[in-house]
Amino acid sequence: ILNVEQSPQSLHVQEGDSTNFTCSFPSSNFYALHWYRWETAKSPEALFVMTLNGDEKKKGRISATLNTKEGYSYLYIKGSQPEDSATYLCAFPAYGQNFVFGPGTRLSVLP
Amino acid sequence: EPEVTQTPSHQVTQMGQEVILRCVPISNHLYFYWYRQILGQKVEFLVSFYNNEISEKSEIFDDQFSVERPDGSNFTLKIRSTKLEDSAMYFCASKYEGYSNQPQHFGDGTRLSIL
Repeated sequence: ILNVEQSPQSLHVQEGDSTNFTCSFPSSNFYALHWYRWETAKSPEALFVMTLNGDEKKKGRISATLNTKEGYSYLYIKGSQPEDSATYLCAFPAYGQNFVFGPGTRLSVLP
Repeated sequence: EPEVTQTPSHQVTQMGQEVILRCVPISNHLYFYWYRQILGQKVEFLVSFYNNEISEKSEIFDDQFSVERPDGSNFTLKIRSTKLEDSAMYFCASKYEGYSNQPQHFGDGTRLSIL
């Protein structure tokens, strides 16, 4: 059974703080690693697809890195804003195409 | 931007009743999925569907569950005789290509409450 973990489970930061959290996944049979941003009562929104070891992707103040050899990805948010408050999910495509999700990191940015 | 839409947003059903959850995937997408999240737990894969047939299913997707794409636009999940433990948020997702590096696009979910 594939296991995808995320830490921390939840995080409270002040507006303007930078923060990061981790997704760990099986390092064998790696295809890709997906990051999603999920606001309450909305659909999960695709942020990044990470495919190559050493990949670094950026979208505005959010960036992600990937280490496939050790099986982890970091998501960074620079200068957090209240609108960044959401649950951040990582998803690992299993042997077929379905996703195995991590439990998510719930981020709260306090004004 | 095209979206995956799900109806209803909330469904309340008596235990033992049949329920059908509806999804309209993005129109040119070919791969379809159902996931669910029981409160406080991880999002779990239920089933994937391609070329009018199930391509994968999880252990959760037993004989009580079925999926259908009846008319080329809707993608439905039916639970034949609901149990209390079926209470969860159900998400539909779709994507155009089958590659693992393609993101799945999710709907807003249907909250299913079994009484």
